[in-house]
Amino acid sequence: AQSVTQLGSHVSVSEGALVLLRCNYSSSVPPYLFWYVQYPNQGLQLLLKYTSAATLVKGINGFEAEFKKSETSFHLTKPSAHMSDAAEYFCAAGVNNNDMRFGAGTRLTVKP
Amino acid sequence: KAGVTQTPRYLIKTRGQQVTLSCSPISGHRSVSWYQQTPGQGLQFLFEYFSETQRNKGNFPGRFSGRQFSNSRSEMNVSTLELGDSALYLCASSRAFPPMNTEAFFGQGTRLTVV
Repeated sequence: AQSVTQLGSHVSVSEGALVLLRCNYSSSVPPYLFWYVQYPNQGLQLLLKYTSAATLVKGINGFEAEFKKSETSFHLTKPSAHMSDAAEYFCAAGVNNNDMRFGAGTRLTVKP
Repeated sequence: KAGVTQTPRYLIKTRGQQVTLSCSPISGHRSVSWYQQTPGQGLQFLFEYFSETQRNKGNFPGRFSGRQFSNSRSEMNVSTLELGDSALYLCASSRAFPPMNTEAFFGQGTRLTVV
């Protein structure tokens, strides 16, 4: 089964600064990898997913993530943070739904 | 196109009672998955249905059950509620099975509070 580690339960950046949210997975088989965003009292919205087609994955809202097999990482980045990016972000890994694992989440705060 | 609809949005129940939550997937989606989200355990997979059949099940006790109807709408039921069942229950729908290579769309969730 997968396990997913998100380094940093809280990340704070200034508006316009680089956003970097870290995710590492453990799996003997490269899984599907996902980043989701959750706004307060809302469900999860898919930002992007890695399905082995390309190691650099571009998602919505200017986010992208790079799959690095040697580091078992799938970090999420955005060059310039916007106030509307403030939310909780979840990394997830799995091959099938019954072994899908979510990270504990990282709450992103954007300061004006 | 309507998104995933979960009802009710909020629910308060007493220990020992049972509860039924409903999820209407996006039109044309045949796969429905359920997740439990709590501050302590995070997001955990409950079960997944496709074409009225349970395809996958997470590691939850038998008090948690679900079903899917011919119109793809799904319900989950929790019997003999415990305080620890208080959580946000999320439903996700996707077009195909297995859903890993298709996008899953989440509903807003049902927040269940057990008192």
